[in-house]
Amino acid sequence: ETGVTQSPTHLIKTRGQQVTLRCSSQSGHNTVSWYQQALGQGPQFIFQYYREEENGRGNFPPRFSGLQFPNYSSELNVNALELDDSALYLCASSPWTSGSWEETQYFGPGTRLLVL
Amino acid sequence: QKEVEQNSGPLSVPEGAIASLNCTYSDRGSQSFFWYRQYSGKSPELIMFIYSNGDKEDGRFTAQLNKASQYVSLLIRDSQPSDSATYLCAVNVYGNKLVFGAGTILRVKS
Repeated sequence: ETGVTQSPTHLIKTRGQQVTLRCSSQSGHNTVSWYQQALGQGPQFIFQYYREEENGRGNFPPRFSGLQFPNYSSELNVNALELDDSALYLCASSPWTSGSWEETQYFGPGTRLLVL
Repeated sequence: QKEVEQNSGPLSVPEGAIASLNCTYSDRGSQSFFWYRQYSGKSPELIMFIYSNGDKEDGRFTAQLNKASQYVSLLIRDSQPSDSATYLCAVNVYGNKLVFGAGTILRVKS
């Protein structure tokens, strides 16, 4: 196990609703990245947070937003859910050491979201 | 053209054989490359990373990188049924953003 935790493990929502997913990064890891993995596809980068600020964003609409807290934990919020938002949402953490990012990212167990 | 391409498989190998998984990428500026293993219903698990041209070995796994050809591969020696999974190739494009291929399904038959 990587030490990255996510909650909840599973979630069912209906179209138009809002959802918040949570992630606690591994001890000593101060950057958090979020990915969406649709069935049969590789993970797609949503955004990354470092020092409580967004530090890069993938090709996702503004209804996908996030937060990082002083303890480096993070939230992913998705508004106005669509059917295509059904996916596995993965959080990954990596450390900032010696003045640079260690590029290796360690994934949590994921949250499986189903939108009906 | 997709940024990271992998053969979706499935790649079937007998137990004890060498499994060879391949990945190509489009961004010549990419500097770091990762292989993740993902069991069905689970999250990706890091197997190896490689930054320099050549081979990098870790136990039964060897990663190979050829930046001139924009090609990275993963060899699994003495394949075991427990190696059956989807193998994801990932490339760090910029700013610690990983771009993943769609993955190759590996099946090791006992």
